[in-house]
Amino acid sequence: GESVGLHLPTLSVQEGDNSIINCAYSNSASDYFIWYKQESGKGPQFIIDIRSNMDKRQGQRVTVLLNKTVKHLSLQIAATQPGDSAVYFCAEKGGNNRLAFGKGNQVVVIP
Amino acid sequence: GAGVSQSPSNKVTEKGKDVELRCDPISGHTALYWYRQSLGQGLEFLIYFQGNSAPDKSGLPSDRFSAERTGGSVSTLTIQRTQQEDSAVYLCASSDITGGVGTQYFGPGTRLLVL
Repeated sequence: GESVGLHLPTLSVQEGDNSIINCAYSNSASDYFIWYKQESGKGPQFIIDIRSNMDKRQGQRVTVLLNKTVKHLSLQIAATQPGDSAVYFCAEKGGNNRLAFGKGNQVVVIP
Repeated sequence: GAGVSQSPSNKVTEKGKDVELRCDPISGHTALYWYRQSLGQGLEFLIYFQGNSAPDKSGLPSDRFSAERTGGSVSTLTIQRTQQEDSAVYLCASSDITGGVGTQYFGPGTRLLVL
């Protein structure tokens, strides 16, 4: 079946540096992608989304890049802060608006 | 405003017992989803309710799992004859009809441990 996956299990980043989290997807027909952040003991929190007719979208300190040619999605976090420490999931929209999630990527911010 | 709430927050049960997990979605949200998250894993889709339409049950892993949504609001996920492999965090999300899938708001989850 189709799958969404992440390249790196854990990313350690110095406070103030930029973080980049990568995600590969396999369903070339996917037209909508989302990044979620999950802190320990909490449910996933929506960060940013992007439609397939775009290749870049910016939010507050976050940017999502979509490369449909290689079916690659990335999340960039600028000036990483301790509060950014969490697990980050990419997800793609499937049938009935269900979300197919990747396994997650732990980001650890070093003060 | 109030977000998605779930109860109980933690549940420990013995193998073979039945459990009921509750989800209170955001008021006015017509779509409700249940997901399961095993330790260190991503989220696995279980079931989806949209308004008065028949639910999408295609993600339920076995016939021991069932869910209902009463009055288009509160939902209950029931696991019968629980097994140890059912241990996981069960997450509920709701979405408004115009928000698109990106605006799924998640509850804090119910952590289920089957001994």
